[in-house]
Amino acid sequence: GAVVSQHPSRVICKSGTSVKIECRSLDFQATTMFWYRQFPKKSLMLMATSNEGSKATYEQGVEKDKFLINHASLTLSTLTVTSAHPEDSSFYICSARAFSGTEAFFGQGTRLTVV
Amino acid sequence: GQNIDQPTEMTATEGAIVQINCTYQTSGFNGLFWYQQHAGEAPTFLSYNVLDGLEEKGRFSSFLSRSKGYSYLLLKELQMKDSASYLCAVLDSNYQLIWGAGTKLIIKP
Repeated sequence: GAVVSQHPSRVICKSGTSVKIECRSLDFQATTMFWYRQFPKKSLMLMATSNEGSKATYEQGVEKDKFLINHASLTLSTLTVTSAHPEDSSFYICSARAFSGTEAFFGQGTRLTVV
Repeated sequence: GQNIDQPTEMTATEGAIVQINCTYQTSGFNGLFWYQQHAGEAPTFLSYNVLDGLEEKGRFSSFLSRSKGYSYLLLKELQMKDSASYLCAVLDSNYQLIWGAGTKLIIKP
């Protein structure tokens, strides 16, 4: 299958700082990228959907000013957690899809710990 | 509303067969996916069904009945490494992925 690379895999940051997570599709052009958050033993929670070159669509309850998403190219999307707080500690996963109706491929996930 | 139901947890024995069911009620249907997720890792793609019937891929098979809003994932010759969560997801009419909560599969020797 296609490869999606997410970086970093783990990050620890201090409360109040910002963290950027990158999601790259390595061997295909991703017209759509998805950002998920997952708490322990819980299913994926979609945070936002981003299409290349346009603003991300955020799910209800997700603060767009706190979770900044940029999808500037067909192979790269970034999620920036601004002014991180301990409650933002979670597993963040991106997935990328080439076209509607095809499967989405997941990055490896990023374990964020805010101390 | 949109809803996907799958059992929370299942237990099976190594070498046996297990069937994980998934029922869905969504606004439109453009396919159903099964993903495997090991603890602490991202999901990995297992199967995609858009037409009724059974798709077989090695030890794993996936079945779909669109009229019943039903799918199952069949795992044969279970191995300890199959212990994981199995996520059912449906692509709705807007090509949004709707996720089930996942089924935790525990394999016992």
